[in-house]
Parts: sequence; structure tokens; C-alpha cells
Amino acid sequence: AQKITQTQPGMFVQEKEAVTLDCTYDTSDPSYGLFWYKQPSSGEMIFLIYQGSYDQQNATEGRYSLNFQKARKSANLVISASQLGDSAMYFCAMRGEGTGRRALTFGSGTRLQVQP
Amino acid sequence: GAVVSQHPSWVICKSGTSVKIECRSLDFQATTMFWYRQFPKQSLMLMATSNEGSKATYEQGVEKDKFLINHASLTLSTLTVTSAHPEDSSFYICSASRGDGPDTQYFGPGTRLTVL
Repeated sequence: AQKITQTQPGMFVQEKEAVTLDCTYDTSDPSYGLFWYKQPSSGEMIFLIYQGSYDQQNATEGRYSLNFQKARKSANLVISASQLGDSAMYFCAMRGEGTGRRALTFGSGTRLQVQP
Repeated sequence: GAVVSQHPSWVICKSGTSVKIECRSLDFQATTMFWYRQFPKQSLMLMATSNEGSKATYEQGVEKDKFLINHASLTLSTLTVTSAHPEDSSFYICSASRGDGPDTQYFGPGTRLTVL
């Protein structure tokens, strides 16, 4: 079984500052993938970043980076230079690799509000 | 790109009627599509995994006779909510994966269903 925990229901950040959204996970799969998605008020889920459990380096995509600490089972999302358009719900998700199950397990989400 | 569309984006229907929601991968072929349900201010819950040319795999607790899934081609999956009731009102969102790389799931914009 897989479990994703996001302990921050809401976060505020000033525009142009960096913010870290927490995500911890639990799984018995030896290999797995971790994902972050953004959901604006319009509802669509936008893929942000992916980290494989065997990747040696932390993933980065533009202003997004994933602080992956395997021993602590954490996969925090760091958004640098926050913009007003970053205000949205953010979901951490995972999937076991090599299990044949390709569906994602999602956390409860964190609502980020960027203030001018 | 990896674009997934859903139609309709919102629908209001009377109790007892059936509603069909379409999910299309526009610029890639998706052997697998996923259907999720999201209640207000909650996370996404997987309903079923839809495989092209075969029967869908439903999650525990999801009634397969009520939520009919058809994955007729590599670019189209449909979800039919049969004999809809007010408790079926929700945000339904599909995703599709290209099956390459990290097998990232790309989501459609979602369908908001309201049953009166």
C-alpha cells in the first residue's frame, strides 16, 4: 500500500520569495516515482515535476525543484521566485514502479496563496 | 505536448438520467486512461483504470454497473454515469499516459457533474 501525506493544508508566500511545500510518503515498493501537480481554481491538473526513487540528483524544472530525501521518505516541492499565478492547490502523488499498477496515489493537497 | 481533453466541461442533469463523459488524448496514443473523482476541497480518488480493448479495472467500492467505462480506441475513453443521483454530483477528471519515460499522467480539464 502507498500513502502520501501533505501536512500543510494552506500556505502563504510573498511574491518573489521561495516556498517549500511538504510531502512525505510511505510505500513497500522498492522502486517508485514521485510527482507534483498543480490544480488552479479552473480545475485542471498540471504536471510540474517527477522524481524517480533511484535518481541520484534532485529533479528540477524551471522554478520548480524537488527536494528528495529518500531516507526520510520526503519529496518536498520548492518553488522559487513565487508569482501570483502560482496560487493554486498543489498535490503530491506517487506510483510504484514495476508493480503493474500505474495509477497514482495522491496526497490531500496544499493550497498556496501568493501575496503581492 | 501531451494534451488531454474532456467533454463536457460541466453538465447538469435530472436524477435518474445517464450522463456520458468523454476523455480524449489529442496528440498521443494512450493505452491506459484513468478516471478520478474529486469532491470539493478534497483530493483525487481513483475510480478505475481503463485499458484500450479490455475491461476496466475498478477500485474497491466503485460500482462498475453504475460507472460504465469504455476505452474503444487509443485516444478515447468514456465514463457513463448511469441512473445518476444527487450523491453522484462531483468533479470527474480523467488522465492518460503515453507509456514512455516516467509514464507521466496528463490530466484532462475535468467535468463538473451536478445531479438535481
